[in-house]
Amino acid sequence: KAGVTQTPRYLIKTRGQQVTLSCSPISGHRSVSWYQQTPGQGLQFLFEYFSETQRNKGNFPGRFSGRQFSNSRSEMNVSTLELGDSALYLCASSMTSGGDTQYFGPGTRLTVL
Amino acid sequence: GENVEQHPSTLSVQEGDSAVIKCTYSDSASNYFPWYKQELGKRPQLIIDIRSNVGEKKDQRIAVTLNKTAKHFSLHITETQPEDSAVYFCAAKSRDDKIIFGKGTRLHILP
Repeated sequence: KAGVTQTPRYLIKTRGQQVTLSCSPISGHRSVSWYQQTPGQGLQFLFEYFSETQRNKGNFPGRFSGRQFSNSRSEMNVSTLELGDSALYLCASSMTSGGDTQYFGPGTRLTVL
Repeated sequence: GENVEQHPSTLSVQEGDSAVIKCTYSDSASNYFPWYKQELGKRPQLIIDIRSNVGEKKDQRIAVTLNKTAKHFSLHITETQPEDSAVYFCAAKSRDDKIIFGKGTRLHILP
């Protein structure tokens, strides 16, 4: 089976812009979770989608949003970008909602200038 | 909500020695504790996990122990090798099914 894929792999934006990141889960996996990874902060949970519904949400501002499509692919959107949004954004898929084993994608490296 | 603390943030051990990374969690209802390894420039990968009904689990040179009463769990790597150099993350699954990660431990294996 193909692994989790994310596009684009690298992105450079300026403050105030918005960005959309995409994640395709492993075939058959219906849950997609998003994490923000920054040096010193580890992996911080953003949200989880299952069957096109947001099932869980972390402690991030409303500028961070997401959605999931009927084929389980997920997108994450960040509006009004801030310098502090520069990070590696990882998505992870699992078979079920709240599924234990998370399979991570390679991440999208976002740089905000 | 759940909070996971991980120590140390950096650990250097001589090749062949053992390494221990410790984590504590706050939610007594947490029931699943995975460990992920992230090599430089790569994605995190699950290396071992333990559920709350088990006190210890081993897989070759890697073991994890869980103390539910004290709410802490540890990763033990024996006979360390250069390829063990990486960042290791512990995590706990909270009562609302979120996987909450610690901030990571950078493990250096010294030749």
